[in-house]
Amino acid sequence: QSALTQPASVSGSPGQSITISCSGTSSDVGGYKYVSWYQQHPGKAPKLMIYEVSNRPSGVSNRFSGSKSGNTASLTISGLQAEDEADYYCSSYTSSTTLEVFGTGTKVTVL
Amino acid sequence: QVQLVQSGAEVRKPGSSVKVSCKASGGIFSSYGISWVRQAPGQGLEWMGGIISIFGTTNHAQRFQGRVTINTDESTSTVYMELSSLRSEDTAVYYCARALQTVITPKGAYYYNRLDVWGQGTTVTVSS
Repeated sequence: QSALTQPASVSGSPGQSITISCSGTSSDVGGYKYVSWYQQHPGKAPKLMIYEVSNRPSGVSNRFSGSKSGNTASLTISGLQAEDEADYYCSSYTSSTTLEVFGTGTKVTVL
Repeated sequence: QVQLVQSGAEVRKPGSSVKVSCKASGGIFSSYGISWVRQAPGQGLEWMGGIISIFGTTNHAQRFQGRVTINTDESTSTVYMELSSLRSEDTAVYYCARALQTVITPKGAYYYNRLDVWGQGTTVTVSS
């Protein structure tokens, strides 16, 4: 089971919107609703930002939104802020024996 | 508020084993699944396996077959993950995380959904 494909880096200026893609297959992203997104600051544990494609846990800013089309999921951060600078990982249930697969990770830089 | 506190850093030689603990406080421990996820230096996240204490059920990724053991001590609300036959590629930060929901899959295994509370991570270094 290969990792889901994400762009290595995405950048934007404060206040702008950015979108991070997460490409998989029909055996993972495209086939199920179980797509999550995690934010990870350097040296810290990941934080759940989106679950089941587009749901935000309590306490997560509504500037973060998720969607899916076919085999590709997306995370959009609107009104980009300095504190959003971090690594972001998607994850999905997979029908393979791995059960869960993470994305390759995207470094978000706020210019 | 549930918190997960992990044991401290470990250094092991190739071929040996390591056991990492994850102690839960502030919530109902056995009602949720606990996943283990690792991150090699400068690399991404990798799901290793998990346990649902109330069912006594464990699942793990196939690539860890025969090397990973996950169990729980309900009396102390602690989950343990033991990884054996260590090699240098196992050098990583190991995280436990609470799964707010577990979903049974068509193959009968459990998928650990909504990893909403994470431990602080345990660094395991494998070096001769």
